[in-house]
Amino acid sequence: QVQLVQSGAEVKNPGASVKVSCKASGYTFTAHYIHWARQAPGKGLEWMGWIYPSSGNTNYAQRFQGRVTMTRDTSTTTAYMELSSLSSDDTAIYFCASVTYSGGSDFDYWGQGTLVTVSS
Amino acid sequence: DIQMTQSPSSLSASVGDRVTITCRASQGIGNDLVWYQQRPGKAPKRLIYAASTLQSGVPSRFSGSGSGTEFTLTISSLQSEDFATYYCLQHNVYPRAFGQGTKVEIK
Repeated sequence: QVQLVQSGAEVKNPGASVKVSCKASGYTFTAHYIHWARQAPGKGLEWMGWIYPSSGNTNYAQRFQGRVTMTRDTSTTTAYMELSSLSSDDTAIYFCASVTYSGGSDFDYWGQGTLVTVSS
Repeated sequence: DIQMTQSPSSLSASVGDRVTITCRASQGIGNDLVWYQQRPGKAPKRLIYAASTLQSGVPSRFSGSGSGTEFTLTISSLQSEDFATYYCLQHNVYPRAFGQGTKVEIK
């Protein structure tokens, strides 16, 4: 079965970077986009961007441009999201999702989420 | 950027009630809209895609409609497991955008 397993919770100081991993299994890793979204405590979902594992192409939301880097390792079927220059506003649960939205596809699987806490 | 506005932000309802949630896009998005359900502490779960197509395995009491700028999610007879927060997402243009969410609570 399709599974996305994310790395564990992180606590970071302001100004630091965090790198969250997303290990995919049960499907062809290179066939579907990996999206990243986050959810601040008690707030709604916010889309951050995607990476296409086959090519490594990325598309980031403008508000994260320059601070976010999405990469992948096809040999281990793992995607990564690195966010730099952290502030308390970045405290959130970060989700990866393997999703195809176009072409009438119903392929949509999410990781369990990774809590990132930014605190001094 | 496209803004997605859901209404209401929250509602209280009883088991068996019919519930309708609306999502409005600030510009036309065709039928490029997905509905998600999120239970506390869990990842979102897709309910509807292409505005009105039921995701495999989702109960038929859920339905979606609309196109262009106005969309609705309807739960025909609310069940206890449906108390959750619901989000719409547009995937017509970048950046993708979620609505702010509608929390469905027990009356």
